[in-house]
Amino acid sequence: EVQLVESGGGLVQPGRSLRLSCAASGFTFDDYAMHWVRQAPGKGLEWVSGISWNSGSIGYADSVKGRFTISRDNAKNSLYLQMNSLRAEDTALYYCARTDPQSGRYYFDYWGQGTLVTVSS
Amino acid sequence: SYVLTQPPSVSVAPGQTARITCGGNNIGSKSVHWYQQKPGQAPVLVVYDDSDRPSGIPERFSGSNSGNTATLTISRVEAGDEADYYCQVWDSSSDHQVFGGGTKLTVL
Repeated sequence: EVQLVESGGGLVQPGRSLRLSCAASGFTFDDYAMHWVRQAPGKGLEWVSGISWNSGSIGYADSVKGRFTISRDNAKNSLYLQMNSLRAEDTALYYCARTDPQSGRYYFDYWGQGTLVTVSS
Repeated sequence: SYVLTQPPSVSVAPGQTARITCGGNNIGSKSVHWYQQKPGQAPVLVVYDDSDRPSGIPERFSGSNSGNTATLTISRVEAGDEADYYCQVWDSSSDHQVFGGGTKLTVL
């Protein structure tokens, strides 16, 4: 069974940092690209960042570029998001999700349950 | 950057057909994917590559895509279909994933 379990969320002050993790199981992790998608309270889905299977291709939404860093450790079946210089508008539920672009599958077929990040003083 | 436009809300009576649109410049040249999200739950893929259904998704869910509009069609709508629906594409020019703003489906 495919499982994606996010962790690391919490309450953080503006300007501070936070690191999210996503533990993957039930599939061959390094066969897939991985992504972070967030959802602010009462709002829609926003793609944040994605990373290819070998970390050779990385992308960021304009809203987080220069502040957030995505990474993965295939040996640990884990995905990470280092979030620096956090702002109130980064407050959201952060989901981990996978795609399979090597097979031409650019859709998110599995999602985690999310970890909540609240940026407030 | 590529923009996807959805109506904020759609209402339909039980047993009727709901159509949720997703507009984008020449979206017919892209593959469109649709997600259902119920309150407090993670999104679930209901249609991929314009019109394919993942296993376990009822045949009542179907999709089409042409020109500047993609459409998710839900036939014989049930109370359990009430949810937010999002369209999504991969923008090859930027290598970014893009979501529509979402549509709240209300079953009257």
